[in-house]
Amino acid sequence: DIQMTQSPSSLSASVGDRVTITCRASQSITTYLNWFQQKPGKAPKLLIYGASSLQSGVPLRFSGSGSGTDFTLTISSLQPEDLATYFCHQSYGRPFTFGPGTKVDIK
Amino acid sequence: EVQMVESGGGLVQPGRSLRLSCVVSGLTFSNFWMNWIRQAPGKGLEWLANLNPDGSETYYVDSVKGRFTISRDNAKSSFYLQINDVRAEDSAVYYCARGIWFGELLGSAPDIWGQGTTVIVSS
Repeated sequence: DIQMTQSPSSLSASVGDRVTITCRASQSITTYLNWFQQKPGKAPKLLIYGASSLQSGVPLRFSGSGSGTDFTLTISSLQPEDLATYFCHQSYGRPFTFGPGTKVDIK
Repeated sequence: EVQMVESGGGLVQPGRSLRLSCVVSGLTFSNFWMNWIRQAPGKGLEWLANLNPDGSETYYVDSVKGRFTISRDNAKSSFYLQINDVRAEDSAVYYCARGIWFGELLGSAPDIWGQGTTVIVSS
């Protein structure tokens, strides 16, 4: 199985800060990497697919990059509504697997 | 508006069986792969299984093979997860999610999710 790791596991940042979350796969997954946002008590929401493509309706402050084994999710200017846990997810090989998540708090 | 509504969760005793359902509206259900994904309390997301549009291909994570069975009824726009011999570690929120294929360069993703149904395993 392809193992996904994320760092950091949690972070606290101020409104307007640039936030970066990294995700690493245990083997190359090309660009078959997705990012999800999960707010407390809600279902996950797809933000980024194919490593860097923005899902329809997602604010432009979210962006993704990377290929192979190393990927990044960036929030260019953190907003209060971005308080959530962010998960990476690989769709390269079954079983599809998720990273453990990064919890983002607002200072 | 696309909606996915899960049901069938609740309190269940260890060793019993349970069938979760997901009813989909607002899209052509029979065109899409469907996924089940779960989240134990305070934990991360675990992909469990998926099923192709006509129901002829199924894939499971190893940890649930033999106990979990997925199926679909395209005439009813419904997707199911049968859980047998329920265990304490099956306690979780279970989500159904549509699988969308974005192409060879971008892969696939579960892009539309239901609100989840909660399973609590306890005697």
